[in-house]
Amino acid sequence: SQKIEQNSEALNIQEGKTATLTCNYTNYSPAYLQWYRQDPGRGPVFLLLIRENEKEKRKERLKVTFDTTLKQSLFHITASQPADSATYLCFDTGRRALTFGSGTRLQVQP
Amino acid sequence: DTAVSQTPKYLVTQMGNDKSIKCEQNLGHDTMYWYKQDSKKFLKIMFSYNNKELIINETVPNRFSPKSPDKAHLNLHINSLELGDSAVYFCASSLGTAEETQYFGPGTRLLVL
Repeated sequence: SQKIEQNSEALNIQEGKTATLTCNYTNYSPAYLQWYRQDPGRGPVFLLLIRENEKEKRKERLKVTFDTTLKQSLFHITASQPADSATYLCFDTGRRALTFGSGTRLQVQP
Repeated sequence: DTAVSQTPKYLVTQMGNDKSIKCEQNLGHDTMYWYKQDSKKFLKIMFSYNNKELIINETVPNRFSPKSPDKAHLNLHINSLELGDSAVYFCASSLGTAEETQYFGPGTRLLVL
């Protein structure tokens, strides 16, 4: 079965730096890979979607890349701010699979 | 206007009881979902309905039964609650499936004593 693995439980960076979060999948390439943000006590909120045949997607300070050779997606937040502190989840929503990664908790220090 | 709402927000109950969680979406979406988030914050799909038809039914004890009276509502009934059912349950909806963005409710925090 598909497993979605995200790097480390917590990532601490300084304000203004670029945060890079990793999402690896084990079996088949997700047809669609979505990234969500979850704040404590709240439901996940959609950020970006990247399709299997796409290499990169951008939205303001956010960028997602997809490398089917490495079986990996990277999620970047440039010029990070303390308000970006949250848990970020990658989510395989293709081929009738709905599989979330375990999430990476990002802490941006002022 | 809340897009996806759930009631109740908190639910504390005794083992063996039967309880229901309700979900409503006002986005006009065709697909609704139930997820369980455990104490380690891992989110796992339980059920998905498209136009009131069950399309995803993961390995979930049959004590859990979803019911969709119409496209805007998806309720979750849990019979004979067990300690291990304690978790946060999230409802979500999307316009279609697979490629579509999912909109999540605020969650229902269930504690079984």
